[in-house]
Amino acid sequence: AQSVTQPDIHITVSEGASLELRCNYSYGATPYLFWYVQSPGQGLQLLLKYFSGDTLVQGIKGFEAEFKRSQSSFNLRKPSVHWSDAAEYFCAVGAGASGGSYIPTFGRGTSLIVHP
Amino acid sequence: DAGITQSPRYKITETGRQVTLMCHQTWSHSYMFWYRQDLGHGLRLIYYSAAADITDKGEVPDGYVVSRSKTENFPLTLESATRSQTSVYFCASSVVKGGFYGYTFGSGTRLTVV
Repeated sequence: AQSVTQPDIHITVSEGASLELRCNYSYGATPYLFWYVQSPGQGLQLLLKYFSGDTLVQGIKGFEAEFKRSQSSFNLRKPSVHWSDAAEYFCAVGAGASGGSYIPTFGRGTSLIVHP
Repeated sequence: DAGITQSPRYKITETGRQVTLMCHQTWSHSYMFWYRQDLGHGLRLIYYSAAADITDKGEVPDGYVVSRSKTENFPLTLESATRSQTSVYFCASSVVKGGFYGYTFGSGTRLTVV
């Protein structure tokens, strides 16, 4: 069974600082990996996804993530955080092309707090 | 307007009442999902459907019923609502046939059981 761990419940950064949100997954083969963002009272918006190929993935709003198979990680990064980035971030894993039921499993989320 | 629509957006109901949350998608996506979101638990899968008339349980199915007679609709029914079912419910869909492109979420239904 697949699983996702987001070790940090809360992350606090200053505006303009760099950001890295951690995500570790468990899956037997190469998974599909996703990062979603949820602003207060809103639904989930896809930031980026990894299916195959280049392990450094670019997303919307200046975010990127790197798939590291050896570490079973898919950490989200942004070089300079803006106050509007304050939100809840979810990492998710779905069964990859090797098969499976395409049911996504989500981490518990990391709440990003941005100080001015 | 194309997309995935959840209704109602907000619902308050009494303990013991039956309530149905609606989910409608216009893409003919094969897979549809229901999640509940609670503080400290993230998103937990309630039920999913791989196609019309095919549904299966997720992580937390107790107290919920789903149906999928048409590809575009995937209603979630709480047969006898309990306070523990107070939550935010999200519907999602995904296409698999012809290529997999990820999951798209609705805006959510905030349900309060009093």
